[in-house]
Amino acid sequence: EPEVTQTPSHQVTQMGQEVILRCVPISNHLYFYWYRQILGQKVEFLVSFYNNEISEKSEIFDDQFSVERPDGSNFTLKIRSTKLEDSAMYFCASSESGRTYEQYFGPGTRLTVT
Amino acid sequence: RKEVEQDPGPFNVPEGATVAFNCTYSNSASQSFFWYRQDCRKEPKLLMSVYSSGNEDGRFTAQLNRASQYISLLIRDSKLSDSATYLCVVNMIAQAGTALIFGKGTTLSVSS
Repeated sequence: EPEVTQTPSHQVTQMGQEVILRCVPISNHLYFYWYRQILGQKVEFLVSFYNNEISEKSEIFDDQFSVERPDGSNFTLKIRSTKLEDSAMYFCASSESGRTYEQYFGPGTRLTVT
Repeated sequence: RKEVEQDPGPFNVPEGATVAFNCTYSNSASQSFFWYRQDCRKEPKLLMSVYSSGNEDGRFTAQLNRASQYISLLIRDSKLSDSATYLCVVNMIAQAGTALIFGKGTTLSVSS
């Protein structure tokens, strides 16, 4: 069964550093997403991406964040200057086009900012 | 204003029990509805989409009441492996590429 994959599984970084989280969506999916979940809190939407551009973003997704599809398989989330409050689990998801709006999640990257 | 609200639980039930979870959503324009399950420190996994007519998948039954803005999930004959957090999820626009809005989840613990 096709899966979304994410690397690394755990990233530790110092405040102010840049991090790039990587995702490989399911191969025939066209829509890609990033969500985050702070420990003990609900899953929150960050951004969605389609046809090489952002289709929707939340207020969390400020200028410190960016997304890119650098090649035909990878989808990345960059945080330019990490803050302590960026510590969270970051999930990538993907969905195919058409009338099913179901999104499938990767295993996540645990980001710890010290 | 809480967009998707769930009873956090925990629900502690014995194996074989039937358990029901409820969820309310605040935006009447919401279009698509889902139940996901999340194991501790893992990703949300799609359990089932929820259709207006209600739908069933094995031991799991989901119902939607648009007038009351209410979604339910019924689990029959609970198994130990059903222990997880169940997330009620809503999409306000019926198209791909739009945000899912998650509830905080209801925790289920099934014991032998």
